[in-house]
Amino acid sequence: EAQVTQNPRYLITVTGKKLTVTCSQNMNHEYMSWYRQDPGLGLRQIYYSMNVEVTDKGDVPEGYKVSRKEKRNFPLILESPSPNQTSLYFCASAASASTYNEQFFGPGTRLTVL
Amino acid sequence: GENVEQHPSTLSVQEGDSAVIKCTYSDSASNYFPWYKQELGKRPQLIIDIRSNVGEKKDQRIAVTLNKTAKHFSLHITETQPEDSAVYFCAASFGNQFYFGTGTSLTVIP
Repeated sequence: EAQVTQNPRYLITVTGKKLTVTCSQNMNHEYMSWYRQDPGLGLRQIYYSMNVEVTDKGDVPEGYKVSRKEKRNFPLILESPSPNQTSLYFCASAASASTYNEQFFGPGTRLTVL
Repeated sequence: GENVEQHPSTLSVQEGDSAVIKCTYSDSASNYFPWYKQELGKRPQLIIDIRSNVGEKKDQRIAVTLNKTAKHFSLHITETQPEDSAVYFCAASFGNQFYFGTGTSLTVIP
């Protein structure tokens, strides 16, 4: 089944404790992206990647890192999480780097930073 | 960067009526405008999209219109059904970056 998976789905952590949220897709998609969703703010793009080893900042990249060492994986790294990073995070992928491609979203990761 | 505004934030309609959600964008370079539906507790899913070289696109009960001059685009849902109840997000994109509106919570009353 074609899908985007994220792990973990739920995470409660404390300020300053490094964490990684994994994202994997099995559709051989070139484009992958991370978003955070907050009430009243919609979805905001954190980082995106057009292909292996090619990543770029989105609208709200501060406090986050990403890597794209393999085509299927695009982990989101919070080196020193803070309470303002408490949010619902979605990973998405699209067939190519063309903006005209449908993005497929993962199930989401709800992160709470205490 | 791009700024996308979406209205209304909440919308209630009677089953069978039409619903219209409007978005404006600021960057005239934006050239792709998708609409996503997000049911409660679920992931966003694309329902329709339109490119900047097209003025209108329709898919069964759903249509999107784009006015490039005024920099606004709208989602039209006709003959609404209870299963249309969800949060709808518009987005504008240029060069692989996506900017989303703040969402419209649509409730269809049976």
